[in-house]
Amino acid sequence: AQRVTQPEKLLSVFKGAPVELKCNYSYSGSPELFWYVQYSRQRLQLLLRHISRESIKGFTADLNKGETSFHLKKPFAQEEDSAMYYCALSGTAGNKLTFGGGTRVLVKP
Amino acid sequence: NAGVTQTPKFQVLKTGQSMTLQCAQDMNHNSMYWYRQDPGMGLRLIYYSASEGTTDKGEVPNGYNVSRLNKREFSLRLESAAPSQTSVYFCASTTGQAVVYGYTFGSGTRLTVV
Repeated sequence: AQRVTQPEKLLSVFKGAPVELKCNYSYSGSPELFWYVQYSRQRLQLLLRHISRESIKGFTADLNKGETSFHLKKPFAQEEDSAMYYCALSGTAGNKLTFGGGTRVLVKP
Repeated sequence: NAGVTQTPKFQVLKTGQSMTLQCAQDMNHNSMYWYRQDPGMGLRLIYYSASEGTTDKGEVPNGYNVSRLNKREFSLRLESAAPSQTSVYFCASTTGQAVVYGYTFGSGTRLTVV
């Protein structure tokens, strides 16, 4: 079975401070990992994928297979980063995604 | 450029009533999904359709049925609604390469069962 754990339900940081959202996964094979974001009153959208090793809106995420983690980081948080963030894993047939419980990020001015 | 369209956006049902949530995508995607979103539990897969003509159970299928009407449409039916089905429901779709392109989500249906 595959599982995604996001231990923090809420992260509150000040503008300009670093922010790190933790994501741990459990999967016996080689996982594909994603971060999705949901801004207020908007639909979920893909933020980044580990497969492309990209940086989106200043966010990066590194897959650590030894620690089975895929933490999301941004060195300088902005108020517009306030949103709900979901870590997700794809590892089985049918392109199914398994989501973590989500972390709400609040960036204070 | 609609993407994934869900109807209705809001619904209040009484316990025991039935209803169908509609989802349509215009991106020629093969795979479609229904998730429910509950606080602290993230999104949990109810049912999915890997391709037209096929449907499979996800993590929490009890109390739900689905129909992949054609390549564009994937509906979710609650035959006898229960308060435990109060949730926000999301439909999503993807090509055959979700790993590359990710999912496209609808805007959600907020369902309250009283």
